[in-house]
Amino acid sequence: DAKTTQPTSMDCAEGRAANLPCNHSTISGNEYVYWYRQIHSQGPQYIIHGLKNNETNEMASLIITEDRKSSTLILPHATLRDTAVYYCIVRVSGNTPLVFGKGTRLSVIA
Amino acid sequence: GAVVSQHPSWVICKSGTSVKIECRSLDFQATTMFWYRQFPKQSLMLMATSNEGSKATYEQGVEKDKFLINHASLTLSTLTVTSAHPEDSSFYICSARVGDRGPYEQYFGPGTRLTVT
Repeated sequence: DAKTTQPTSMDCAEGRAANLPCNHSTISGNEYVYWYRQIHSQGPQYIIHGLKNNETNEMASLIITEDRKSSTLILPHATLRDTAVYYCIVRVSGNTPLVFGKGTRLSVIA
Repeated sequence: GAVVSQHPSWVICKSGTSVKIECRSLDFQATTMFWYRQFPKQSLMLMATSNEGSKATYEQGVEKDKFLINHASLTLSTLTVTSAHPEDSSFYICSARVGDRGPYEQYFGPGTRLTVT
C-alpha cells in the first residue's frame, strides 16, 4: 500500500511555480522520498529524491520538513509540458521496488 | 539519465494467443528489472521483480504461469502474456534499477499497450 497522501488534482498557471504537497506521516528513518511523473501514455519519469535535506536539480526542488512527515515538490517555472500525474513515493534504499499511489494530476494552464 | 526501451510500443492480438514484450537497458547493466501494469485512469501496479539469472518474484494475485518473465541477461528482460484474454488488455511498463546499493534510482521504459480482441 502507498504510504503517501497527495491531492487528487491541481492547476498551475504557465510560468508560475508549481508546488505539489505530499504527506508521509508514517515515514521511517531509513525511507527516502522519491518523486516521479507520468505524462499521458508514457512511462514514469524520475524527478528527484531526498532523505532529509532539501534537494535541487535541473528539473525541480524538493523541500522536506524537519520532522520528515511531509514534503513539497517545486517546479520553479511550470510549462505546458509539465502537465502530468506526479507521484510521491517513500521507500527504503536497497532492493524494494517503487510502489505507486494515485498521485496528483497537475494541469498547467496557459 | 539511464535509458530503458520496450518493444513493441503497442500490440494487438487475438484472444488465446501469446504476446512477448521486451525490455532493454540501453546504456547500463540492470541486475534487477520490474514489470508494472496500468489500467486506464489507474495507477501503476507492480506485477513482478526480475533478477538476472534467477526466477522472478511475483506480487500477490499475479499468475506466474500466465505472465512469464525471463531475465536472461543484464540488459534484457521479457514478459510473455500467455493465452491472452481481453481482460489482459493494459499498459505494461518495465523498469530497471540503476546501482546495487543505496538510494538507487529506478528508470522506466515507455510502456507497451496491449489490446486483446
